[in-house]
Amino acid sequence: DTGVSQDPRHKITKRGQNVTFRCDPISEHNRLYWYRQTLGQGPEFLTYFQNEAQLEKSRLLSDRFSAERPKGSFSTLEIQRTEQGDSAMYLCASSLISERAQYFGPGTRLLVL
Amino acid sequence: QKEVEQNSGPLSVPEGAIASLNCTYSDRGSQSFFWYRQYSGKSPELIMFIYSNGDKEDGRFTAQLNKASQYVSLLIRDSQPSDSATYLCAGYSASKIIFGSGTRLSIRP
Repeated sequence: DTGVSQDPRHKITKRGQNVTFRCDPISEHNRLYWYRQTLGQGPEFLTYFQNEAQLEKSRLLSDRFSAERPKGSFSTLEIQRTEQGDSAMYLCASSLISERAQYFGPGTRLLVL
Repeated sequence: QKEVEQNSGPLSVPEGAIASLNCTYSDRGSQSFFWYRQYSGKSPELIMFIYSNGDKEDGRFTAQLNKASQYVSLLIRDSQPSDSATYLCAGYSASKIIFGSGTRLSIRP
């Protein structure tokens, strides 16, 4: 399977705990995006990387959220001190710089109790 | 005002008919537009993209873009039950894709 992969697919955690999600993009794609989606809404942009550089972060991304892409391949998204409002589907997408279309992974569904 | 607006639906269409999904956008800087299909509990799947004014056809799908009216649409011909899903309209600007809230489409047998 050469598509975008995400791990884990589901995560249940207690409020106040830290969680980390991983995304592996399509291998030749140099851009990687993180989105958050809640029920009945479209995906909301969080941040994106071009190779290992984080080029933009949304105002939605509070200081409890951090993302990395250390070698320009896989990326991690960490949420510290989780809150119930963080419960959502976290989606990763990747693209080529030369193309605008983004391809999504299966997502990580987070539930904060 | 949201940057990309869609009617949330649900839009109910009989099997075999044409489904018409519409979207408006506010950012005149948006250069490209996408339609993603999302089944319940799954992630979005790219089905069409359009960059230029006019129509673009791909199988049973036709995307239409009118930049003067800031309007994008998706037509699905010969609708099938498997087309029942939420359709997300999205615009590309400044290296980001901004999504609408989606239109829920239901194809009734």
